[in-house]
Amino acid sequence: SAVISQKPSRDICQRGTSLTIQCQVDSQVTMMFWYRQQPGQSLTLIATANQGSEATYESGFVIDKFPISRPNLTFSTLTVSNMSPEDSSIYLCSVRQNTDTQYFGPGTRLTVL
Amino acid sequence: QKEVEQNSGPLSVPEGAIASLNCTYSDRGSQSFFWYRQYSGKSPELIMSIYSNGDKEDGRFTAQLNKASQYVSLLIRDSQPSDSATYLCAVNTTHNTNAGKSTFGDGTTLTVKP
Repeated sequence: SAVISQKPSRDICQRGTSLTIQCQVDSQVTMMFWYRQQPGQSLTLIATANQGSEATYESGFVIDKFPISRPNLTFSTLTVSNMSPEDSSIYLCSVRQNTDTQYFGPGTRLTVL
Repeated sequence: QKEVEQNSGPLSVPEGAIASLNCTYSDRGSQSFFWYRQYSGKSPELIMSIYSNGDKEDGRFTAQLNKASQYVSLLIRDSQPSDSATYLCAVNTTHNTNAGKSTFGDGTTLTVKP
């Protein structure tokens, strides 16, 4: 399976600021996804990152709040904009590579004060 | 009704016992089924995938699929304390690797007591 890295691994941010999370894969993948997981909760899909076009967002998530880029088949970014304490969560990058199985990155733990 | 439902747990079993984790799904057209294990503070890791009715065994793990009943389960034999984790069931509605997405259940937390 692909090796997935995320940066930063964790961050503490102030209310009203923005944070960009990077997801890098060591090989080309067909699909990339961004999830959020709040403490003790299950995974919530934010969006599917589409290479060269706008991401596909799930209900309840909008581009202005969570802009996503995917310039190529190995890299994507998720920005959490105008953060509030409610955005404190773990953000996970997930990829699919030539199969319908999804693999997850190590996650980014975000705390908003 | 949730698309993918799991027993909320927590489930506690003694070391050496069989742990049984259950999952039901609502979309009868679902094609692919997965079990992930997630240790506290870590990201989910894939344990098993299953596509056809019946049993699929991998070491101490057995996945069971019954599409008619829309039911998939995971059995862990000879449970070890290191199996203590949250287990997530995931379902895909398509085999197409360039479309669709996995729908995840809320997870069942398993504790194996020494």
